[in-house]
Amino acid sequence: SQQGEEDPQALSIQEGENATMNCSYKTSINNLQWYRQNSGRGLVHLILIRSNEREKHSGRLRVTLDTSKKSSSLLITASRAADTASYFCATDRDDKIIFGKGTRLHILP
Amino acid sequence: EAQVTQNPRYLITVTGKKLTVTCSQNMNHEYMSWYRQDPGLGLRQIYYSMNVEVTDKGDVPEGYKVSRKEKRNFPLILESPSPNQTSLYFCASSYRASTYEQYFGPGTRLTVT
Repeated sequence: SQQGEEDPQALSIQEGENATMNCSYKTSINNLQWYRQNSGRGLVHLILIRSNEREKHSGRLRVTLDTSKKSSSLLITASRAADTASYFCATDRDDKIIFGKGTRLHILP
Repeated sequence: EAQVTQNPRYLITVTGKKLTVTCSQNMNHEYMSWYRQDPGLGLRQIYYSMNVEVTDKGDVPEGYKVSRKEKRNFPLILESPSPNQTSLYFCASSYRASTYEQYFGPGTRLTVT
């Protein structure tokens, strides 16, 4: 069963613009993580936000978490061609890890 | 270099022929897991292991087996592969439990005919 669901499924923006993608989940969590995947390769961890945190930054990435709405957002500022990838949120449920279906981000030159 | 390795990277096999996909990590991580990735379904956890000799089912364990005899290794076994197990498989590890970032292997693309 999917815990996290990303929205939108796909997103195309011009280079230099900001990209925002959202994740909604169903049950209470300890933390929420965001990962990036380039074209069928292994996932790369981007950022982890714990349930008692509301916002976290890492370079051009900004993640927010609203536990009352069971949702998170990932903002990528000043997008670059290299940001073209699929982005996944992942939540923990007991000791399991549940991934969403991902958002495919395409940065247009 | 800290890494998770998987072998083989590509495998084509026939229905019913037992196979093993190996996974090894060199970071002394306690938590390891296997995922399959299918178009439109994202990643789904097959099995995970909290530590040596401790394994448990994820969301899609049917048709798979795992073992964790050593901390660094976590092989995935398909006793009798079927075409619906054609998928991209990832192994991952993390320091401890599910509350830490995961490090992923490069993936194994399996085709069962």
